[in-house]
Amino acid sequence: KAGVTQTPRYLIKTRGQQVTLSCSPISGHRSVSWYQQTPGQGLQFLFEYFSETQRNKGNFPGRFSGRQFSNSRSEMNVSTLELGDSALYLCASSSTGGRTEAFFGQGTRLTVV
Amino acid sequence: GQNIDQPTEMTATEGAIVQINCTYQTSGFNGLFWYQQHAGEAPTFLSYNVLDGLEEKGRFSSFLSRSKGYSYLLLKELQMKDSASYLCAPGSNDYKLSFGAGTTVTVRA
Repeated sequence: KAGVTQTPRYLIKTRGQQVTLSCSPISGHRSVSWYQQTPGQGLQFLFEYFSETQRNKGNFPGRFSGRQFSNSRSEMNVSTLELGDSALYLCASSSTGGRTEAFFGQGTRLTVV
Repeated sequence: GQNIDQPTEMTATEGAIVQINCTYQTSGFNGLFWYQQHAGEAPTFLSYNVLDGLEEKGRFSSFLSRSKGYSYLLLKELQMKDSASYLCAPGSNDYKLSFGAGTTVTVRA
């Protein structure tokens, strides 16, 4: 079956702009988590959605937001971009979240200039 | 809160054994995942321990001690393709998977 699909793969944005990233989970998976990965901080948890509900949120400013649709696809939005937001953004899907294996997409590489 | 500690780097020779230790302090802990991440690629699942003890899966084994907040990943018969970052990730009841900084394993011929 198809894996986790993230679009776009690469993005270049200017400071102050906003960006929306998309994640399509594996068919049948209802949990989608988002992570930010940088060389200095590693993988940092952003938020987790299950059946259109956010069940947990990491320690990121309110500029980072997300949502999940009825078909389990998820989007995350970053407003008022800062240089420090440059990172690889990964989404992971699992059947229930928590106790089950998570499958990662290839990520979206965001560069803020 | 989360506090995850694993070594930054390890180097070993092809065919050897490497043990990557991980200690954690996780609220609502419900299991320990290990992931492998090759440079420029997404993390891929290796193992999941819920109960204390050793889980063996081919050349890779993972151990968990819940009372000690300790896990290790054992890589046997190392191959060049095992050169990667290995991520320790305690799960919690609030649906959050937190990752350690990762251990970069370099396998030398």
